[in-house]
Amino acid sequence: GAVVSQHPSRVICKSGTSVKIECRSLDFQATTMFWYRQFPKQSLMLMATSNEGSKATYEQGVEKDKFLINHASLTLSTLTVTSAHPEDSSFYICSARALNLAAETQYFGPGTRLLVL
Amino acid sequence: GQNIDQPTEMTATEGAIVQINCTYQTSGFNGLFWYQQHAGEAPTFLSYNVLDGLEEKGRFSSFLSRSKGYSYLLLKELQMKDSASYLCAVMDSNYQLIWGAGTKLIIKP
Repeated sequence: GAVVSQHPSRVICKSGTSVKIECRSLDFQATTMFWYRQFPKQSLMLMATSNEGSKATYEQGVEKDKFLINHASLTLSTLTVTSAHPEDSSFYICSARALNLAAETQYFGPGTRLLVL
Repeated sequence: GQNIDQPTEMTATEGAIVQINCTYQTSGFNGLFWYQQHAGEAPTFLSYNVLDGLEEKGRFSSFLSRSKGYSYLLLKELQMKDSASYLCAVMDSNYQLIWGAGTKLIIKP
């Protein structure tokens, strides 16, 4: 149990375009989902916390107008990178906190590798 | 400020035992997590400690001392597939995870 999927797993796009990444909890309900970014050889950096039915809470330094988060249901959150630039190239990982399992544990999706040319 | 410290890199031999330490200073404490992350992949959950003591799960064990702000992850009978980064994370009073930078574990034959 506690499986989280992400789509796409890898995306290459041109500078200035927008990219949407989906995060789904497959076998549990997640009231809270988290979006992380990880640059090579660095630790995870929390970008935002997403609660179902409400606006996301962004970490300091993360532009909410650039990284649009929608948590429309208990099993789906999306991250849209708007007007992507090469410096946005990174590994984006979502995680979900299970409502009906150990509430403290976060389960991670497989990640999405974004390359902006 | 909030701080999680763990060694940057460790090397061990296949079949041996290795202990990865983690010390923390956070605003509140709601548990400590260990995750394993292979290169190019997302982290996978290994363990969760909220009470003092040792939690054993197969070849992996995790220990916590809240009074000392200290935890360790113990890996026994090391296998080559255990080569990965091991991330220590503490959940603070706001139920946010504070992440360490990770310990890269290199297993040699």
